[in-house]
Amino acid sequence: QKEVEQNSGPLSVPEGAIASLNCTYSDRGSQSFFWYRQYSGKSPELIMFIYSNGDKEDGRFTAQLNKASQYVSLLIRDSQPSDSATYLCAVNSRRDQFYFGTGTSLTVIP
Amino acid sequence: EAQVTQNPRYLITVTGKKLTVTCSQNMNHEYMSWYRQDPGLGLRQIYYSMNVEVTDKGDVPEGYKVSRKEKRNFPLILESPSPNQTSLYFCASSSTGMETQYFGPGTRLLVL
Repeated sequence: QKEVEQNSGPLSVPEGAIASLNCTYSDRGSQSFFWYRQYSGKSPELIMFIYSNGDKEDGRFTAQLNKASQYVSLLIRDSQPSDSATYLCAVNSRRDQFYFGTGTSLTVIP
Repeated sequence: EAQVTQNPRYLITVTGKKLTVTCSQNMNHEYMSWYRQDPGLGLRQIYYSMNVEVTDKGDVPEGYKVSRKEKRNFPLILESPSPNQTSLYFCASSSTGMETQYFGPGTRLLVL
């Protein structure tokens, strides 16, 4: 079983729509959860982090964490073509190791 | 400017020829880490370091060595590179092992 699993996509949404990205993790002791965005050939850049159950909003982005279900999601509202990228879910383990999902490729169609 | 730097950015080498990829951060971060990124496999952690002289194996440490003699530097050493180590490598740093990691620009390595 992989430590972190994401739907690989690709996911396509029209401009202005909501994009929903999902991630599950296996280590119940994980404490920190991150969403990174990666453009082709570039390094990952942080979108959001979340530590507690519930929702966390930052502009057009909302991260949701459900520790009981071991589930993390990212919602992107009013999607823009510039949001087209691969989105990586990352989780830290009790041993301070980080595990990344394989990423979900998102395309926002103008 | 707060940043993580890696050198070289691109490297072509041959099997068995030792190489070192340097990583440096200017944010006084305690936690540093190396990843490799391969198509379909995502980012996988090679080694990480909680602080000076403290290093631990990640998911894919075979064939790699690291050292942390200074807080700002965390070099990745391939003693005898093989073609299966052809990959895109990223160094990252964060304040602690629980917090946001900041990534370097990446090093694209080709082992012939």
